[in-house]
Amino acid sequence: AQKITQTQPGMFVQEKEAVTLDCTYDTSDQSYGLFWYKQPSSGEMIFLIYQGSYDEQNATEGRYSLNFQKARKSANLVISASQLGDSAMYFCAMREGWGAQKLVFGQGTRLTINP
Amino acid sequence: DGGITQSPKYLFRKEGQNVTLSCEQNLNHDAMYWYRQDPGQGLRLIYYSQIVNDFQKGDIAEGYSVSREKKESFPLTVTSAQKNPTAFYLCASSRVTSGRSGANVLTFGAGSRLTVL
Repeated sequence: AQKITQTQPGMFVQEKEAVTLDCTYDTSDQSYGLFWYKQPSSGEMIFLIYQGSYDEQNATEGRYSLNFQKARKSANLVISASQLGDSAMYFCAMREGWGAQKLVFGQGTRLTINP
Repeated sequence: DGGITQSPKYLFRKEGQNVTLSCEQNLNHDAMYWYRQDPGQGLRLIYYSQIVNDFQKGDIAEGYSVSREKKESFPLTVTSAQKNPTAFYLCASSRVTSGRSGANVLTFGAGSRLTVL
């Protein structure tokens, strides 16, 4: 079974609009962490935001926020006021347990921002 | 500035040849990782190491080998036993989590693109 599911292969959004990228996860661990990474066409992976399973508040980092719904096992990324530079692949990933950060990644969503 | 250096950026290999991808970090991170990415796909873990002289297989270790003789270095060898080695390879490093606070973020290198001719 897929541990991380991203159901949107591609999304097209007008500049300055908000966009939500979906991510659901599957784990039986109580302790886990959820990450979002951005991958521009150059290929490097850029960390955006993190949510721990014990964190009671949704994480925010500038224009990025994570809508964490633990009961639904969902960790959607919200980008407010999208910019042309936000066009990229976006990956949701999960770490189970502690120790090494062995991340399991979803298939990704390609986000295109239109001017 | 601290970071991860991967080399070479592009590599071409003939079938039957072994190739080694270099990964060096100066972040003083204990853990290092190798991921593989195929076109349009997410990343899959090949190997990881939490301390020097120790490493563990990830989900797709077959046909790959690694070593960790120094904290800063974690080279990946793609052997001739790897049936479909053409892919984008990403190296990463992180601290090792302790306790429940947990966000030891993976820092990635720029990647190495391997093509088998």
